[in-house]
Order: sequence, then structure tokens, then C-alpha cells
Amino acid sequence: EVQLVESGGGLVQPGRSLKLSCVASGFTFSNYGMNWIRQAPGKGLEWVAYISSGSSYIYYAETVKGRFTISRDNAKNTLYLQMTSLRSEDTALYYCARIRGIGVMDAWGQGASVTVSS
Amino acid sequence: DIQMTQSPSFLSASVGDRVTINCKASQNINKYLDWYQQKLGEAPKLLIYNTNSLHTGIPSRFSGSGSGTDFTLTISSLQPEDVATYFCLQHNSGSWTFGGGTKLELK
Repeated sequence: EVQLVESGGGLVQPGRSLKLSCVASGFTFSNYGMNWIRQAPGKGLEWVAYISSGSSYIYYAETVKGRFTISRDNAKNTLYLQMTSLRSEDTALYYCARIRGIGVMDAWGQGASVTVSS
Repeated sequence: DIQMTQSPSFLSASVGDRVTINCKASQNINKYLDWYQQKLGEAPKLLIYNTNSLHTGIPSRFSGSGSGTDFTLTISSLQPEDVATYFCLQHNSGSWTFGGGTKLELK
């Protein structure tokens, strides 16, 4: 069974940093690109960042470019999102998602909650 | 950037009704349009990918159609368990853009 489990969320002050992790199981992690997606409370979904299976290609949404860094460790079956210079508008539930084929996100984790507040 | 306009935002329908939800892209996205269902407190679940391909395990009452800039999700006969918010998603452009969502309720 494909499983994605996010962790590392929490309450953080504006301007501080936080690192999310997403541990994958039930499939060959190194064969798949991965995305981070977020959902602010009561709002819609926003794509955050993409990393290819071998980390050769990385893309960011304009709203996080220069502040967030996506990375992965295929030996540990783990995806990361390093978030710096956090703002109140970064408050959201952060999901990791597996990408199949040309951009289809076919499996999602349950999300990690990030609250940016003083 | 490609923008996705989803309509309606809210929809109330009865069990057994045929329900349609629409998404319009700001430019041609070929066939790269997916539909997701999100129930309260849960992660989004893939229903339809690449316009009209049914994801594994999804009931056949769900179907998708369209091309280019205009796309539709159809539920042929609404069931109580279909109460949820539905999102479209384009993945044509090296980025991903979601529609604003349609909250589907039972009448």
C-alpha cells in the first residue's frame, strides 16, 4: 500500500524557519517525482514545489521562491521542505504528493500543519 | 501563469441527480486536467486524470470530458457519499494550478 506520512509541522514565529519531512513507503520512492502542496485554513489548494525523481529538476511557486527549498534523500525514502523567512500567509496544511506520468498526483499524505504566528 | 476558473462554487443536488462541474483554463492545457475529491478533514483523492481517465478504484458514475481550455466533471447519479469539495487541477505547464473548488451538498 502506498503511504506518505508528513511530519515536522508546528507553530513558528514570523521570520523563523521550519523543515517538513515526508516519509514514503509501499513503492519505489526513487522512481517518482514529488510535489509539496498546501492548503490554507478554509481555502483552496496551492502547489508549492516540485522535485524530480533524481533531484535534477526543481521548480517552485513564485510565492515561495527564494524562501523554501525542496530536497529528497532516496536512500531514506524521504522528501523534505525547508521553509525559511516564514510569513503569516504560509500558515497552511502542507501535503506531499507522488507524481505519476506527466504530472498526475496520484497519492497524497495526510498533511502537516504549519502555523506562523507571533 | 495558467489560471483555472471553476464553476459553480457551490452546488446543491438530490440523490440520483446528474451533476456537472466545469473548469476553464486561461490557455490551452491540452488534455492535462485532473479532478480531485476532498472530504472534510481528509486529503484530496484523485478521481479523473488527463481529462477522462478514471483512477483506480473510482466508481464509474464519475467521468470527465473536454479539451483545450474547457473541461467537465460529471457524476451520473449522485450518491450520499459524494458530498465533498471537488477541485480541478492543470499540469500542462511545468507547474500545477488548482481551480477554486466546488462544494457539493445534498438537497
